[in-house]
Amino acid sequence: QSALTQPASVSGSPGQSITISCTGTSSDVGGYNYVSWYQQHPGKAPKLMIYDVSNRPSGVSNRFSGSKSGNTASLTISGLQAEDEADYYCSSYTSSSFVVFGGGTKLTVL
Amino acid sequence: EVQLVESGGGLVQPGGSLRLSCAASGFTFSSYWMHWVRQAPGKGLVWVSRINSDGSSTSYADSVKGRFTISRDNAKNTLYLQMNSLRAEDTAVYYCARVLVDSYGRIQYYYMDVWGKGTTVTVSS
Repeated sequence: QSALTQPASVSGSPGQSITISCTGTSSDVGGYNYVSWYQQHPGKAPKLMIYDVSNRPSGVSNRFSGSKSGNTASLTISGLQAEDEADYYCSSYTSSSFVVFGGGTKLTVL
Repeated sequence: EVQLVESGGGLVQPGGSLRLSCAASGFTFSSYWMHWVRQAPGKGLVWVSRINSDGSSTSYADSVKGRFTISRDNAKNTLYLQMNSLRAEDTAVYYCARVLVDSYGRIQYYYMDVWGKGTTVTVSS
C-alpha cells in the first residue's frame, strides 16, 4: 500500500491561511469519506485534528478545516499562529489494508 | 486521566523477536478498537495493525503481515504487538492508539484520538 501524497513542506506568515493537499486513489481518499488529519510537534505523539474529511474533534480550533474533491483531500489552517508550526499527516481508510497515512508535510510559520 | 503507556522496546538483532505492550488506563479499554502505528527516525507515520474490542478481528499492513501479531488482554487493560523476524526497516518508534468515539457515541474505527508516547525499537547487529 503506497503512502498518500503530500507536499514535503508549506509555509505561511502569521495570520495568513495555508492549505495542505493529500492525494490518493479511488481505493482510498477518492472512494471513501474516511479521511483524517493529524498534527505532530517534534518529539510528541500525533494529535487528531480532522476526521470524516471535515469534522473536528472536541477541543480542536475552528481555524482548522478539511475538504475533499475527487482523490484529493485538503487541510486548511486559517489565521496561522506560531504554535501551528508542526508536521501534518493525512490518513484514509483503504480497501487494500485498513488505514494508510500520507508522507507528511512540514508547516513552517515564517 | 485517559492514558496509554507503551513498553517493551529495545535493541534487537535482525531476525529476532520483541513483544511490545501498551497499558491503558482512565477508560473502558474493553470497549475500544486499538491500533499500532510506527514512525521510523525522521520519517512519517505508518499504520501497522488494528484489533477490535474483543480481539476477534485483526488487520495488518502488508509490510508486517505474517511477522507481527496484535493481541489484547482486556482483563489486564493491555494491548500487545508480538514482532518476529525483525528487519532493519522495522526500526521505529511504535505508538499504540485508541480509536475515536465521537460526540454521538459512534465508534470511528479509522481515527485515533488518544496516543501513547511511544516505545523505540531498534533492529541492528
